[in-house]
Amino acid sequence: DQQVKQNSPSLSVQEGRISILNCDYTNSMFDYFLWYKKYPAEGPTFLISISSIKDKNEDGRFTVFLNKSAKHLSLHIVPSQPGDSAVYFCAASGRGSQGNLIFGKGTKLSVKP
Amino acid sequence: GAGVSQTPSNKVTEKGKYVELRCDPISGHTALYWYRQSLGQGPEFLIYFQGTGAADDSGLPNDRFFAVRPEGSVSTLKIQRTERGDSAVYLCASSPQTVRNSPLHFGNGTRLTVT
Repeated sequence: DQQVKQNSPSLSVQEGRISILNCDYTNSMFDYFLWYKKYPAEGPTFLISISSIKDKNEDGRFTVFLNKSAKHLSLHIVPSQPGDSAVYFCAASGRGSQGNLIFGKGTKLSVKP
Repeated sequence: GAGVSQTPSNKVTEKGKYVELRCDPISGHTALYWYRQSLGQGPEFLIYFQGTGAADDSGLPNDRFFAVRPEGSVSTLKIQRTERGDSAVYLCASSPQTVRNSPLHFGNGTRLTVT
């Protein structure tokens, strides 16, 4: 059973608008969450992270929100740019783990000019 | 470049053969990880090295898979008696591991195809 779920395989957004990518998790032992971005034929690159002691972390156009009671996090990109078109992976890490990240299946974001 | 380097970028092998996949981490990174990404899935953890030793190999699917990092830098993932189900992109990542949850820096992966 998947512990990290990204239920939307794809998302299409107009340039300049907000992109919202969602992620749900089932394991209450997860205490650190990350978003990675992946272009075709490249490895994932780290985008932004959040600790479970926070509910929001912002870095430029990217903001991650964490709702622990709902076991839900989201990544907001605003304004969206065509260069943001990629697959976005949500990942989680549990207490006591060292780099054993549990990834979701990813959401393919397409930003149309 | 100073990123994680993986060779070969593509490997095609016949079922039953042995393969080795190489990873050169970022210089100075003590932690090294192997992940596997199958089609339509997210990366799946295989093994984690801290220095020369495997600190967590709980993700290795069976004893056909083995990884080494003899000098604490380059790592090799070895797969014996390959099966078609082993076809995937094998990703290597490294991190300085000075702080827990240091972001992982991934290489571009080796695409393994078992025919």
